[in-house]
Amino acid sequence: AQKITQTQPGMFVQEKEAVTLDCTYDTSDQSYGLFWYKQPSSGEMIFLIYQGSYDEQNATEGRYSLNFQKARKSANLVISASQLGDSAMYFCAMREERTVWAGNNRKLIWGLGTSLAVNP
Amino acid sequence: DTGVSQNPRHKITKRGQNVTFRCDPISEHNRLYWYRQTLGQGPEFLTYFQNEAQLEKSRLLSDRFSAERPKGSFSTLEIQRTEQGDSAMYLCASSLLQGGFSQYFGPGTRLLVL
Repeated sequence: AQKITQTQPGMFVQEKEAVTLDCTYDTSDQSYGLFWYKQPSSGEMIFLIYQGSYDEQNATEGRYSLNFQKARKSANLVISASQLGDSAMYFCAMREERTVWAGNNRKLIWGLGTSLAVNP
Repeated sequence: DTGVSQNPRHKITKRGQNVTFRCDPISEHNRLYWYRQTLGQGPEFLTYFQNEAQLEKSRLLSDRFSAERPKGSFSTLEIQRTEQGDSAMYLCASSLLQGGFSQYFGPGTRLLVL
């Protein structure tokens, strides 16, 4: 069964510093996608970054980068130059992508999240 | 605003009452998903639609829950005879069938069952 593990319930970082949020996953699928979402206190899930299992390069989106280590089954999120507005819950999620007939978009399996607090 | 919208944003109800939530996806998105998120947890998949067809339902979706997407556009999630354990955030997301990598989420509906 697919599983996402986020071992850090809470993290603190000083403003302008970088922070790494850990995510490990378990799947027997060869083709899958890994996602990071941000959930502020308002509740909305905001898509941050995506990494496909066959992508050779680590994904980057502005201040967000995904440190993908396939052999270790880890997909850590790195936020550079933290800002006060980065304080939120961060969720790692996985999607199987092997079933071509059903399209690429299947349900997401989620971790428990990491609460990030950015200190001024 | 062309994002996913959900109504109502908040709902307080008494145990045993029925509630209905609405989700309007991004207009060109074929797929629509419902998730439930309880306090301190990640979202849990409930069900998803491709156009008007309901393709998968989680075993979390008991007989008291029903979801529809009658014309392949907006969707409704109804909970009958609500229980206190139904208190949660109900999240809706939409995506393209092919090519689009991400599911885009609405603001959610917070349900409190007293």
